[in-house]
Amino acid sequence: EAGVTQSPTHLIKTRGQQATLRCSPISGHTSVYWYQQALGLGLQFLLWYDEGEERNRGNFPPRFSGRQFPNYSSELNVNALELEDSALYLCASSRGRTLRETQYFGPGTRLLVL
Amino acid sequence: EDKVVQSPLSLVVHEGDTVTLNCSYEVTNFRSLLWYKQEKKAPTFLFMLTSSGIEKKSGRLSSILDKKELFSILNITATQTGDSAVYLCAVDEDGGGSQGNLIFGKGTKLSVKP
Repeated sequence: EAGVTQSPTHLIKTRGQQATLRCSPISGHTSVYWYQQALGLGLQFLLWYDEGEERNRGNFPPRFSGRQFPNYSSELNVNALELEDSALYLCASSRGRTLRETQYFGPGTRLLVL
Repeated sequence: EDKVVQSPLSLVVHEGDTVTLNCSYEVTNFRSLLWYKQEKKAPTFLFMLTSSGIEKKSGRLSSILDKKELFSILNITATQTGDSAVYLCAVDEDGGGSQGNLIFGKGTKLSVKP
């Protein structure tokens, strides 16, 4: 069974540009979560999508947004990039929230903002 | 204020040693506590703990949860160089604005010397 996949693996942008990161969940998983792992800060929750709807978002500005497609894959968009957005962006998926479902992580996209 | 605190932040041991990693938490509506191992990018799932006093075991790794004292430990016996990684503790909280996301500690960086 294929795990969570993310693309691209690396992304280099300049300040003010937009970045789009993609995630495909494990087959059968309907929930997708996005986390930011900046150096020295640990994983910080960004967004949670389930069944195509945004269910919750973390303490990040509105320029961080995303969506979930009918096939449950997801996109994270970061507008007006700032230097401090440089981080590893991790996507996780789970079978949903009705039971205690484990989140499984993808390999991440490393974003560098110059 | 950190809701999940891991200690120590880093640890250097020699092959064959036994290590104990600590995780304390403070959340209102506890659902579960999870341990992940992060080597390069993707955190890989180790254990999910929901009940106090029940040890989960996988090979040389084991973990237990104390819901009264609000902490968990991860034990690794007979450490090997391949155990070198950052070990992440995360808490899954119901509601209170944290629904859907895991709250991570900053991790313990374990280095196992040959």
